[in-house]
Amino acid sequence: AQSVTQPDIHITVSEGASLELRCNYSYGATPYLFWYVQSPGQGLQLLLKYFSGDTLVQGIKGFEAEFKRSQSSFNLRKPSVHWSDAAEYFCAVGEEGGGADGLTFGKGTHLIIQP
Amino acid sequence: GAGVSQSPSNKVTEKGKDVELRCDPISGHTALYWYRQSLGQGLEFLIYFQGNSAPDKSGLPSDRFSAERTGGSVSTLTIQRTQQEDSAVYLCASSLVGANVLTFGAGSRLTVL
Repeated sequence: AQSVTQPDIHITVSEGASLELRCNYSYGATPYLFWYVQSPGQGLQLLLKYFSGDTLVQGIKGFEAEFKRSQSSFNLRKPSVHWSDAAEYFCAVGEEGGGADGLTFGKGTHLIIQP
Repeated sequence: GAGVSQSPSNKVTEKGKDVELRCDPISGHTALYWYRQSLGQGLEFLIYFQGNSAPDKSGLPSDRFSAERTGGSVSTLTIQRTQQEDSAVYLCASSLVGANVLTFGAGSRLTVL
């Protein structure tokens, strides 16, 4: 069965500092990987996705993520965070073609931005 | 519609009552999912609809939970005889058939007193 681990429940960074959120997955085949962001009281918004090809993917809001098959990781990065980046971030894995279970999500990382 | 619409956005109910949560997916999206998000937890898959096929109910936590999708569009999640542990945010998402990119609604926050 597929699974996603986000080791950090909370992360606090200063505004303007760089950010890396960790994500490790377990999946038997080539995974489809996603990062979603959830602001308070909102649904989930897709930041970026990896299906195949270049292992460094660019997303919205200046985020990027790198797929490392050898480490089963798909870490999210941003060079300089803004106060508006404070939110809950979810990593997810899915299978080709969608599949009945949709996506399997990690438990999320709560990002706090210090002024 | 332009996005996935869910209603109500907030629902407070008493233990033992039934509740209905509604999801209106993006027009043309044949796949529809319900997830449950409990405090401090990730998203728990509940049920999946694809076109006119029988839904995948493998994630429903008990027989108090049911869902239907009428005309391949709007879906209703029903929770009967609600319990306090049902308190959560219920998220609906839709996608094109065969696609992995899910578009989520803003969710329905259920509080069972």
